[in-house]
Amino acid sequence: IAGITQAPTSQILAAGRRMTLRCTQDMRHNAMYWYRQDLGLGLRLIHYSNTAGTTGKGEVPDGYSVSRANTDDFPLTLASAVPSQTSVYFCASSDSTSGGYTFGSGTRLTVV
Amino acid sequence: GQNIDQPTEMTATEGAIVQINCTYQTSGFNGLFWYQQHAGEAPTFLSYNVLDGLEEKGRFSSFLSRSKGYSYLLLKELQMKDSASYLCAVSDSNYQLIWGAGTKLIIKP
Repeated sequence: IAGITQAPTSQILAAGRRMTLRCTQDMRHNAMYWYRQDLGLGLRLIHYSNTAGTTGKGEVPDGYSVSRANTDDFPLTLASAVPSQTSVYFCASSDSTSGGYTFGSGTRLTVV
Repeated sequence: GQNIDQPTEMTATEGAIVQINCTYQTSGFNGLFWYQQHAGEAPTFLSYNVLDGLEEKGRFSSFLSRSKGYSYLLLKELQMKDSASYLCAVSDSNYQLIWGAGTKLIIKP
């Protein structure tokens, strides 16, 4: 692992199903983030975690939950997927001393 | 509220120079970032400005004026591979990035 790994790369999901998007980083960054990116809307923050054991809500948290049991992992769960959650999801992390974000390669999710 | 504005789309010619502007209004300021994002890929870091002035890095330069809430990204000697979206982001008082919607740059031969 080098940087941030997201899985799966893409997924087609039936509406109403539960889905967890995985995110793992090996940089020992304190902060981690989940974004969704939709055409014309840019990156929108779903949830974030400033350090292991803490999480916070971003701009568009409804329908999503996260956990941060340790420094490396930050999974995003859709409890009951809806078509409006069709999007590209990016996980990111940052070292609070530099402020810049490193992104995973993204998960393209289609809810049908 | 917090707001980042940048043009939606720009077109330029291969070999030319293009300037992408970004204006911002945020609660606190801990630096401004520019990221490049090719279609279907993740954003990648280009530049960081926290003090006023110009930062040069090869063909790319970034400028910041904190008093005006303004930045620009200057791309010189444009190449076809520079066709991408360019995202402006400001680090707010909590060190969280506030993102602009991105500028899609189209390079024509």
